[in-house]
Formats: sequence, structure tokens, C-alpha cells
Amino acid sequence: DTGVSQDPRHKITKRGQNVTFRCDPISEHNRLYWYRQTLGQGPEFLTYFQNEAQLEKSRLLSDRFSAERPKGSFSTLEIQRTEQGDSAMYLCASSLPPVGGLYNEQFFGPGTRLTVL
Amino acid sequence: DQQVKQNSPSLSVQEGRISILNCDYTNSMFDYFLWYKKYPAEGPTFLISISSIKDKNEDGRFTVFLNKSAKHLSLHIVPSQPGDSAVYFCAATSGYALNFGKGTSLLVTP
Repeated sequence: DTGVSQDPRHKITKRGQNVTFRCDPISEHNRLYWYRQTLGQGPEFLTYFQNEAQLEKSRLLSDRFSAERPKGSFSTLEIQRTEQGDSAMYLCASSLPPVGGLYNEQFFGPGTRLTVL
Repeated sequence: DQQVKQNSPSLSVQEGRISILNCDYTNSMFDYFLWYKKYPAEGPTFLISISSIKDKNEDGRFTVFLNKSAKHLSLHIVPSQPGDSAVYFCAATSGYALNFGKGTSLLVTP
């Protein structure tokens, strides 16, 4: 399977614990995105990388959140001192960059569902 | 502030008929629009997109229409099939981040 993969698919943790999620993008895609989706809402943008560089962060990404893409391939999203409000589906997507002003669609992984007790 | 709005939370259509899903946006800087389909416990799956330089794009049973003056787009599915039952998200972008609506849950009944 050459799609976007995420691990784990589900994570249950206690408030105050740290959690880390991993995303493996489609291999030739140099752009990688993180989104968060809560119940009844559409996905909300958190951050994105082009290769290993983190180029943009949403104001939704508080200081407790950190994302890395050390070698420009897989990415990790860490949440420190989790809160109940962090419970959500965390989605990763990847794409090729725009070429000649033409966008390329983002392909999403299956998501990691986080439950903070 | 919700820049992309899908005002119909749900839609029910008979198999074989046309499904029309609507989406409105407020940001005139958006220049690329996409529709995604989502099943429970899965990530969104890309369906079809349209650039702001076009007003229609067709792919098989799916057609997206864009009305820039009204800041409105719609997705037409013809004919609708039971397997089309899912949540459909409209998204728009002017660069990198996709801005999503809240989704419309489509049910196609036999």
C-alpha cells in the first residue's frame, strides 16, 4: 500500500501524559500536513512541512504541541501534558507542491483517534 | 470564523437520482476548491477539485460547479449509488492549508 499511513490508529491516555503520533506520507510527496478533527467539525489545519522545514503553524498549535519531520520523510506530532480538550482525530496528509501555479490535492491518512481521560 | 460553510448537515436521495451538495465560502482569496468523502473511522478521500479559473469540472459520475460571483460551489453525483453514502466535505485553499466545511452526510437509499 503506497498511501499515507498513521500510527497508532487509536490512543487512550490520561490527562497530563505525553503522546506521540507518527505519519508516513506517500513517498514522493515533499509536503506533509497535520490537521485535527473534532466531532461535528471538518478537519482544521495545524501545521505543514515542505521537506524537513516546518513552514507554517496554526494558532491552534499551542506550546504543548510540537511537530517534526527530521529527514523530510516521516513526521511526528507530540502533545505534552495532554488535556481533555485535546481529544480528537489527528489527521496527516501529504501532497506534491504546486507546479506552474497548479495545486496538487492532499491525500489523507486514516487518522489517529486520541482520547484523553 | 468559518470561511467555508456547508449549510445542509444531511441529505437523503434515492438510488439512481441526482445528489446535489452545496458549499459557500467567504474568502475571495481562495482559488482552489476540493471535495472529499469520508467514511467513519477513515481519513477523508479526495474526490474532485476545481481551480478558480474554471466553472465546471467533471469526473465520471461527479461534477463540481463553481460560481465565483456568488462564492458558491456544488457537487453533483449522477446517478447516486448506495455506496456513495458518506460524509462529504467541501474544502478551499489559497496556498497550503485546506479550510473545510462541517460536512454534509449523504444517505442514498435503495
